[in-house]
Amino acid sequence: QTVVTQEPSFSVSPGGTVTLTCGLSSGSVSPSNYPAWYQQTPGQPPRTLIYNTNSRSSGVPDRFSGSILGNKAALTITGAQTDDESDYYCVLNVGSGMWVFGGGTKLTVL
Amino acid sequence: EAQLVESGGGLVQPGGSLRLSCAASGFTFRTYALSWVRQAPGKGLEWVSTISNNGGATYYADSVKGRFTISRDNSKNTLYLQINSLRAEDTAIYYCAKIAATTSAYWGQGTLVTVSS
Repeated sequence: QTVVTQEPSFSVSPGGTVTLTCGLSSGSVSPSNYPAWYQQTPGQPPRTLIYNTNSRSSGVPDRFSGSILGNKAALTITGAQTDDESDYYCVLNVGSGMWVFGGGTKLTVL
Repeated sequence: EAQLVESGGGLVQPGGSLRLSCAASGFTFRTYALSWVRQAPGKGLEWVSTISNNGGATYYADSVKGRFTISRDNSKNTLYLQINSLRAEDTAIYYCAKIAATTSAYWGQGTLVTVSS
């Protein structure tokens, strides 16, 4: 069974830069996994930040960027703001029409 | 603006059934594959199922295979999820979502399914 791994938690100072990662138990993440990133605050549905590795969704500030770093997908927040304190989820397409979400990263900005 | 509105959730006893619906508007429904994603209380997101744009192909997570059935009616711009043999661990918010490889995802607000006696 494919497992997608994320850091359970991360902390960043206001104005700082943080990179969250998304890995695959079965090997390397590639653009053909079509990595996407979502932000979720309590009581709200997910909000799409990044799709197709590095495409920013409409209205998403350019301080959010996506990439492949080494063998993982990555979400970088540059100039973190207190509003960025949220849960962040990645999802990967693992073939055969299936998607697998990571366990999520709880980001603290303080 | 794209909109997805789920309905059909509620309280159901273990072993029971429900049919969830998702009404779509603001985009060309028949063009896109659509998915259901769930989130148990206090837990992360879990992909449940995806159906192709024309309904010809369906995919399921192992945890729901054989109990859940995804379908769609492109004439009504509506997505469905028939959920049978419900278990306590199926308790979750069920989101309808357009998750696609190369376009941005849309999400509904979700509908809560609670399985309890």
